[in-house]
Amino acid sequence: SAVISQKPSRDICQRGTSLTIQCQVDSQVTMMFWYRQQPGQSLTLIATANQGSEATYESGFVIDKFPISRPNLTFSTLTVSNMSPEDSSIYLCSGAPSTDTQYFGPGTRLTVL
Amino acid sequence: SQQGEEDPQALSIQEGENATMNCSYKTSINNLQWYRQNSGRGLVHLILIRSNEREKHSGRLRVTLDTSKKSSSLLITASRAADTASYFCATDQAGTALIFGKGTTLSVSS
Repeated sequence: SAVISQKPSRDICQRGTSLTIQCQVDSQVTMMFWYRQQPGQSLTLIATANQGSEATYESGFVIDKFPISRPNLTFSTLTVSNMSPEDSSIYLCSGAPSTDTQYFGPGTRLTVL
Repeated sequence: SQQGEEDPQALSIQEGENATMNCSYKTSINNLQWYRQNSGRGLVHLILIRSNEREKHSGRLRVTLDTSKKSSSLLITASRAADTASYFCATDQAGTALIFGKGTTLSVSS
């Protein structure tokens, strides 16, 4: 299994600013992913965080808006850039030690005013 | 994009009753996983069932998988108030990210 922590747990930000969310896994994981959960909705994949290379983004998400880093097998960051109220969501990272179970962090609840 | 639908979208039961949630998906899968989410917090992994399995149990949870119908069900027996949460199914295709269903909101009253 894997235990995943995220920082910050929540934040309230002004429009036009950026926020970087950190995701730390207690063990090496093969795969790391970032998801967004808009209010009252299910989870949508933002991107796959690739260790040592550029992230792979899903349709509708771009690197300029959501830059992602993954410097090693246990850590990743997601930045939400130039925020607007539409970015208010819960952002979750997940890690998969193998090709099976994916474990999730507690999420970062972002409110943009 | 969502893989499929969960049914029902909302379910209200009394403590002690059983709760059944269904999940349908569209494409072939490697695994199907069920998660619980309490009040917009992180997801708690409940159970994983592989595409070559038909049924799995974990405590009060029973999951079935019918790949011919592209559907799965989650049964929670003897529900408790603490089971009140949103439940999501999610599928993957061997090392890919998860595709989530829309979720079922379960409310268990005492």
